[in-house]
Amino acid sequence: DQQVKQNSPSLSVQEGRISILNCDYTNSMFDYFLWYKKYPAEGPTFLISISSIKDKNEDGRFTVFLNKSAKHLSLHIVPSQPGDSAVYFCAASAGNNRLAFGKGNQVVVIP
Amino acid sequence: ETGVTQTPRHLVMGMTNKKSLKCEQHLGHNAMYWYKQSAKKPLELMFVYSLEERVENNSVPSRFSPECPNSSHLFLHLHTLQPEDSALYLCASSQEAAGVDTQYFGPGTRLTVL
Repeated sequence: DQQVKQNSPSLSVQEGRISILNCDYTNSMFDYFLWYKKYPAEGPTFLISISSIKDKNEDGRFTVFLNKSAKHLSLHIVPSQPGDSAVYFCAASAGNNRLAFGKGNQVVVIP
Repeated sequence: ETGVTQTPRHLVMGMTNKKSLKCEQHLGHNAMYWYKQSAKKPLELMFVYSLEERVENNSVPSRFSPECPNSSHLFLHLHTLQPEDSALYLCASSQEAAGVDTQYFGPGTRLTVL
């Protein structure tokens, strides 16, 4: 049973526009959420995280929003750049150092 | 070397071979992990080591045998694998602390079992 779900497996966006990636989770015990970015032939790279005590965290062009009541989080990338083309994984933890991952979203930024 | 390194990056082996994957973390972390990533599936946690003790084994077949000799090194010993074991094997590390579970990954070993 998948506890972290990422629908819409791929997204194409024009350079300079906003990329929005969505993630839903089912386990109400999750209290820490992360986004990872993965290029081909490389391991996932930590991008940004958010604790359940917050509803927004921003780091440069990347912002993560958390809606606990809907068990939903999203990652906004603005403006999107060609180097952002990668697979993005949503992950969640219940504070036990065990991360549950989604299947990932492929983002393609068109120059 | 910085971060988390893994060797080899690519490995092709027959079903009767024995091989080992190596992971080394240079971050001073106290927890290490093995994950399996198969096509179109989420990352699957295989093993967790905390302070060099195995704290989790997620129903992984015995043909996969982990070893953690110290907090910086992690091995995955492979023997009599099956073709369906072909996947990307990722190592990660983290510093265990309440409420902070950020894991840092190595580049992975792409394993092909013939």
